[in-house]
Amino acid sequence: NAGVMQNPRHLVRRRGQEARLRCSPMKGHSHVYWYRQLPEEGLKFMVYLQKENIIDESGMPKERFSAEFPKEGPSILRIQQVVRGDSAAYFCASSPTGGNYGYTFGSGTRLTVV
Amino acid sequence: GENVEQHPSTLSVQEGDSAVIKCTYSDSASNYFPWYKQELGKGPQLIIDIRSNVGEKKDQRIAVTLNKTAKHFSLHITETQPEDSAVYFCAATDQTGANNLFFGTGTRLTVIP
Repeated sequence: NAGVMQNPRHLVRRRGQEARLRCSPMKGHSHVYWYRQLPEEGLKFMVYLQKENIIDESGMPKERFSAEFPKEGPSILRIQQVVRGDSAAYFCASSPTGGNYGYTFGSGTRLTVV
Repeated sequence: GENVEQHPSTLSVQEGDSAVIKCTYSDSASNYFPWYKQELGKGPQLIIDIRSNVGEKKDQRIAVTLNKTAKHFSLHITETQPEDSAVYFCAATDQTGANNLFFGTGTRLTVIP
């Protein structure tokens, strides 16, 4: 069991470019959650997805951010026209059932906007 | 929404001593309280959790206590070892209703050999 796989581990983007972060949940897990961690802060919820459905996106910024979890393939967090304030670590977690018991986090993608 | 506060932000202890990290929460409906350990460059890993129907839970050198009346919960690590050095996060949620965890801001624990 490879756990939750996130790639890339590190991503550098210039202001205005697009960032795509990928998350493959643990085998058998169909629930995916994205969190953002700013330096020296705790994790903040962004979005919760099941296959082909966004269940809760209450933590997502209204503009430039989007997420998907297609029927096949990994979940994608997409940030358009990145700004310096988007620099953070983005973590994905998966669970076998809904709710937040049994979360397993990936190792994260560290996005740096220059 | 839920607001979780965590103290201290940094903690240094001598190897073999105990470490205590405290968290408070605001939403009386919260009923699930996990603790995560995050090592440098890695994602958070669940180390212990407690639900509101119990007041204490222990797993080897780690224990968590919960006071629902006061809305606070604590992590206790005994006989600390250098490999316990990491950032620890508490979290809270209404497991039955919420889709997300609300995290504290973390405690950086350093165990001095």
